[in-house]
Amino acid sequence: AQKITQTQPGMFVQEKEAVTLDCTYDTSDQSYGLFWYKQPSSGEMIFLIYQGSYDEQNATEGRYSLNFQKARKSANLVISASQLGDSAMYFCAMRGNQAGTALIFGKGTTLSVSS
Amino acid sequence: EAGVAQSPRYKIIEKRQSVAFWCNPISGHATLYWYQQILGQGPKLLIQFQNNGVVDDSQLPKDRFSAERLKGVDSTLKIQPAKLEDSAVYLCASSLGSAGPKNIQYFGAGTRLSVL
Repeated sequence: AQKITQTQPGMFVQEKEAVTLDCTYDTSDQSYGLFWYKQPSSGEMIFLIYQGSYDEQNATEGRYSLNFQKARKSANLVISASQLGDSAMYFCAMRGNQAGTALIFGKGTTLSVSS
Repeated sequence: EAGVAQSPRYKIIEKRQSVAFWCNPISGHATLYWYQQILGQGPKLLIQFQNNGVVDDSQLPKDRFSAERLKGVDSTLKIQPAKLEDSAVYLCASSLGSAGPKNIQYFGAGTRLSVL
């Protein structure tokens, strides 16, 4: 069975600082995808970044990068130069290769950015 | 490009009443998902449609929940009768397809249901 673990319930950072949100996963699939979503207080889930299990390079999208360590089964999200608007809940999720497999989400980490 | 539309945004009902949620996916997206997100947890899949067929409804409490996707576009999720533990945010998501690990799901704003 697939499982996502996010051990940090809350993280606090000041504007312009970098922050790392931890995510570890468990799966027996060889091919899988890892995702990060942001959920502001308004409720919508916003897709941030994707990493495939066979991707050799760590994924980057603007200020977001994914520190993928396959052997350790970790997929940490790094946000550089934090902004006040980054305050939200962040979810790590994974998906297997088979059609019909849904996203499995972690419990999330609340990020608070202060000025 | 328009995103995933959901309505209503909020709903308050009493236990044993019925309620329905509506979702319109991104145009051209064949796959539609309904997730339930209980406070303090990550979303959990209730049902997945591929066009108008059900792909996975193993987590759907079928004695009280039902969902349909007529004509492979819009979808409705119904709860009848509602229980207190159904209080949650119901998120609809859509994706182009369903195969392959890189199958990005785009979510709507959700419907926040409170059952009193």
